[in-house]
Amino acid sequence: GESVGLHLPTLSVQEGDNSIINCAYSNSASDYFIWYKQESGKGPQFIIDIRSNMDKRQGQRVTVLLNKTVKHLSLQIAATQPGDSAVYFCAETPVSSNTGKLIFGQGTTLQVKP
Amino acid sequence: DTAVSQTPKYLVTQMGNDKSIKCEQNLGHDTMYWYKQDSKKFLKIMFSYNNKELIINETVPNRFSPKSPDKAHLNLHINSLELGDSAVYFCASSERQGNQPQHFGDGTRLSIL
Repeated sequence: GESVGLHLPTLSVQEGDNSIINCAYSNSASDYFIWYKQESGKGPQFIIDIRSNMDKRQGQRVTVLLNKTVKHLSLQIAATQPGDSAVYFCAETPVSSNTGKLIFGQGTTLQVKP
Repeated sequence: DTAVSQTPKYLVTQMGNDKSIKCEQNLGHDTMYWYKQDSKKFLKIMFSYNNKELIINETVPNRFSPKSPDKAHLNLHINSLELGDSAVYFCASSERQGNQPQHFGDGTRLSIL
C-alpha cells in the first residue's frame, strides 16, 4: 500500500549544528518527492522538491537526498537556527497518476536549542 | 496579498449542522486541493480540482462536497457535521496538475461540539 514514514518523531539539535531529517517511502515507483515545514498555527510551507531522476538537490541552507535503492529521502538543514523549529513533512506522488496527489508522512518535530 | 486564503480561520459548531469553508488563491494557479489534518498532524488529501474540473475524490463521506465556481476558488461544504469531522482543513493550490509544489493556506480549525 501507499505509505510514507519518518524514522523519528522528534529531533532536538543545538543552534548552529546541522540537522538531518529522514523519511522512508514504500512505493519504489514513486516519481516526485517534496519536503514541507509547518509552524504552529500555519499551513505547510514548501521547502524543496526532487524528482526520481535525481539523487540530490540543494536549496538555501537545505539539501534533499534521494536514495532509490533503499527508498529513503532525507532533508539536511545547515547551521540550524531557532526559526527552523517546526514540524517537517515528507510527501511523495505515486507514479500511477498525474493528479498531483501527495501522500504525506507523519511528520518530524525539529526542536532547536539555543 | 496572501497567496492562498481560507475563511473562516476558526469554526465552532454543533453536531448535525451544515457549514462551508471558503478558499481563494491569487497565484493564477490552475489546480486547487483540500486536505484534512487530524489531531496527530496527519495530512490527507480529500479533493482536487483542475480548472473547475474534479480530479481527485478520495474516500471522503459524501457529506463533504467541494465546489469550484472558478479556478481561483474552491469551497468545501460539509453537511450533517459529526464529531469526527473535527480537524484542521487546508486548502492548497499548484500552478498546474501533476508533480508540482503545492502552496497551502493557513487552515481552518473546525471544532464540533
